[in-house]
Amino acid sequence: AQSVTQLDSHVSVSEGTPVLLRCNYSSSYSPSLFWYVQHPNKGLQLLLKYTSAATLVKGINGFEAEFKKSETSFHLTKPSAHMSDAAEYFCVVRPPGSGTYKYIFGTGTRLKVLA
Amino acid sequence: GAGVSQTPSNKVTEKGKYVELRCDPISGHTALYWYRQSLGQGPEFLIYFQGTGAADDSGLPNDRFFAVRPEGSVSTLKIQRTERGDSAVYLCASSQTGNTEAFFGQGTRLTVV
Repeated sequence: AQSVTQLDSHVSVSEGTPVLLRCNYSSSYSPSLFWYVQHPNKGLQLLLKYTSAATLVKGINGFEAEFKKSETSFHLTKPSAHMSDAAEYFCVVRPPGSGTYKYIFGTGTRLKVLA
Repeated sequence: GAGVSQTPSNKVTEKGKYVELRCDPISGHTALYWYRQSLGQGPEFLIYFQGTGAADDSGLPNDRFFAVRPEGSVSTLKIQRTERGDSAVYLCASSQTGNTEAFFGQGTRLTVV
């Protein structure tokens, strides 16, 4: 069965410092992996996705993530946090193969950015 | 609009009542999904439509929940005899096909009192 584990429910960083949000996945095969962001009272927005091309994936707003098969990880990073990055972040796995459509979400990491 | 639209944005209902939640997907998207997000949790899959038919309804918690998509566009999630445990944000998403990127709506926050 596919699953994702987000290792931190809350992360606090100071503005201008690096962000690291951790995600580990469980999958028998190479899945598709995503990071979504959810701002208060807003819909889920796709930050980036990995679909078996380059292992280092660049997304919107300066975020990137690296797929590490040996560690079954897909951690999200950003070099310098902005106040506007404060939100809930979800790591998501979608099983491989044609016709797969079911997104499996982690429990989320709430990012707080301190002035 | 260009995105997935869900109405109402908020719904408060009394225990035991019937509710309907509406989703307008992105035009031309054949795949539509419903997810439920309980407080402090990630969204959980409820049902997937490909066109008019429910291709997978394995996530519906029980037979009080039902969803339709009669013309392959707008979908309605129906909950009968609501219970307090049904309180959550119900998210709708659509995609061009079943295995392309899904775009999510803002959700309907359902509160059962």
